[in-house]
Amino acid sequence: EIVLTQSPGTLSLSPGERATLSCRASQSVSSSYLAWYQQKPGQAPRLLIYGASNRATGIPDRFSGSGSGTDFTLTINRLEPEDFAVYYCQQYGSSLTFGGGTKVEIK
Amino acid sequence: EVQLVESGGGLVQPGRSLRLSCAASGFMFDDYAMHWVRQVPGRGLEWVSGINWNSGSIDYADSVKGRFTISRDNAKNSLYLQMNSLRVEDTALYYCARGLGYCSSTSCHNRFDPWGQGTLVTVSS
Repeated sequence: EIVLTQSPGTLSLSPGERATLSCRASQSVSSSYLAWYQQKPGQAPRLLIYGASNRATGIPDRFSGSGSGTDFTLTINRLEPEDFAVYYCQQYGSSLTFGGGTKVEIK
Repeated sequence: EVQLVESGGGLVQPGRSLRLSCAASGFMFDDYAMHWVRQVPGRGLEWVSGINWNSGSIDYADSVKGRFTISRDNAKNSLYLQMNSLRVEDTALYYCARGLGYCSSTSCHNRFDPWGQGTLVTVSS
């Protein structure tokens, strides 16, 4: 099973700043089958990024994904108030596993 | 609008059974794989089970294999999860999610979009 480790656990930032979230896999993720989700309190997760770098439908371009192999990054440029949430990565190249999440909180 | 609505959750004693349902609308249900993902409140996400469009490819997490059974009825646009021999550690919010991507003969390599709002399963004596 591929284990995904997300860091940091919590990121404290101000609106307008850039957030950089990391997701590291215990083995190489085939074909960059890596997705990112956003989850707000009381809501279901929402797909942001798939294939490591492709934005899902309706996702603003301040969200971007990058990486390959075992190291992946989600970048949120110019944080908006609605971006403060928990973010999860998921790999779907070998079975299906999620990272433990990174909470982006208001500083 | 694509919509997924789960039902069937509740309080159940350890060792008992429960059946979850997910009603889909707003898309061609029989074109897509479907999945169940669970989340202990305040904790992370765990994939539980997935099924391809024609039920020919079904997979389970090791934690539920042999106890849970996923199924679908394309005529009713519905997904199900039969949960037997429930354990305290099965307590979670259970989400239904549409799978995007491809399925092999044994498993689906999917991202999930969209998700339902979830149904809460509590296993306690």
